[in-house]
Parts: sequence; C-alpha cells; structure tokens
Amino acid sequence: KQEVTQIPAALSVPEGENLVLNCSFTDSAIYNLQWFRQDPGKGLTSLLLIQSSQREQTSGRLNASLDKSSGRSTLYIAASQPGDSATYLCAVQGSSNTGKLIFGQGTTLQVKP
Amino acid sequence: DTGVSQDPRHKITKRGQNVTFRCDPISEHNRLYWYRQTLGQGPEFLTYFQNEAQLEKSRLLSDRFSAERPKGSFSTLEIQRTEQGDSAMYLCASSFSVSYNSPLHFGNGTRLTVT
Repeated sequence: KQEVTQIPAALSVPEGENLVLNCSFTDSAIYNLQWFRQDPGKGLTSLLLIQSSQREQTSGRLNASLDKSSGRSTLYIAASQPGDSATYLCAVQGSSNTGKLIFGQGTTLQVKP
Repeated sequence: DTGVSQDPRHKITKRGQNVTFRCDPISEHNRLYWYRQTLGQGPEFLTYFQNEAQLEKSRLLSDRFSAERPKGSFSTLEIQRTEQGDSAMYLCASSFSVSYNSPLHFGNGTRLTVT
C-alpha cells in the first residue's frame, strides 16, 4: 500500500530565504508526482507535475525534483515571499491508470515579512 | 474555462440528516474525482468517474455515501444519516484521461459541519 510522508509538518522562515520541502513515498511504481498548494479554506492549486521518467520540473521560483529509486521528491522555493505562505501537498499517482492520487499530510509554510 | 465549481461552499447540518453536494467539472474533462479532507490531513480518495461510469470506490465510502454522474457532466455526492465523523471538506477534481499524466484540477470544496 502506497504511503506518502511530508517533512516537516510546519515551517516558518523569514522573507527572502530559500527553502526545501520534502516528500517521501513507499512504492516506487508511480506514474507521476504532483505538488499542490492549498490556501486556508480553499481547494488545491496544481504547482508542478513530474512524470516518472523525469528528474525535475521548474516553474518560476519553484523547482521540484524526483528520485523514484529512493522514493523521494523535494520542492525548492527560491527567494520566499509572504505570499508563498500556504500548505504544500505532494501526491503520487500509482501504477493503475485511474488518475487517483495518494496525498501526504502537507507542510504548512509561513513566510514572515 | 471557469474551473471546477462546487456547491454549496459550506453546509451545516444536524446529525441524522441527509445532505447532497454538487460538482461541475471543467467542461472538456471526462474524469471526475471526489476526495475528503479533514483538518491537518491531506485529501483522501473517495471515488471517481470516467464519463458517467463510476469506476472505483474507496472503502472510506460507506453505504451511507452515494455518488452519481448521470450524464457524464456534473456529479452529486449524497451522505445519508450524517454522523459527526462526516464533518470534513469534500473536494471535487476533474481531469482529461487521454494522458495519465494529466494534472487534476480541484474545486474550492464544500465544508460540511455535522452538529
């Protein structure tokens, strides 16, 4: 059974700092891994999708890496801003072609001005 | 493209009552998913549809829960005889199944509180 874990559960940093969020998964047989952002009381916004054949994806100040063999992904946020404050969730799509995602519990990020 | 729409945004109900939520996916998306999220946790898969067919249901979906997508467009999720443990955010998502690397697009959810 696939399990996804995110560390740390919460993180507080001063504005401008570069930071890394971690995600690990137990079954390396995945189609893709996705990173989402969730603001309080809101739905999820897709940030990056890394296909199983890829090593990383970049979008603006965000860079996500994937190491399938070790079951790990990282989300790197450069030059953090107060507007980056949110919960970040990683999710893996397993080996069946259903599109079903298994989520971690999230990392809640606070960027202080 | 107005995104995934969910209605209502909030629902407060008394234990034992029935509730129904609606989800309107992105119009060209043929897959629709329901997830449940409790405070401090990631979303948990409940069920999904491809067009009008319900192809998978989680064990979390007890017999008090039923989901439909009658014409392959909008979907409803009904909870009968609600219990306090049903209090959660119910999220709907949609995607296009041509590629299994198609990202899911989520709505803003329906927050259910059972008193």
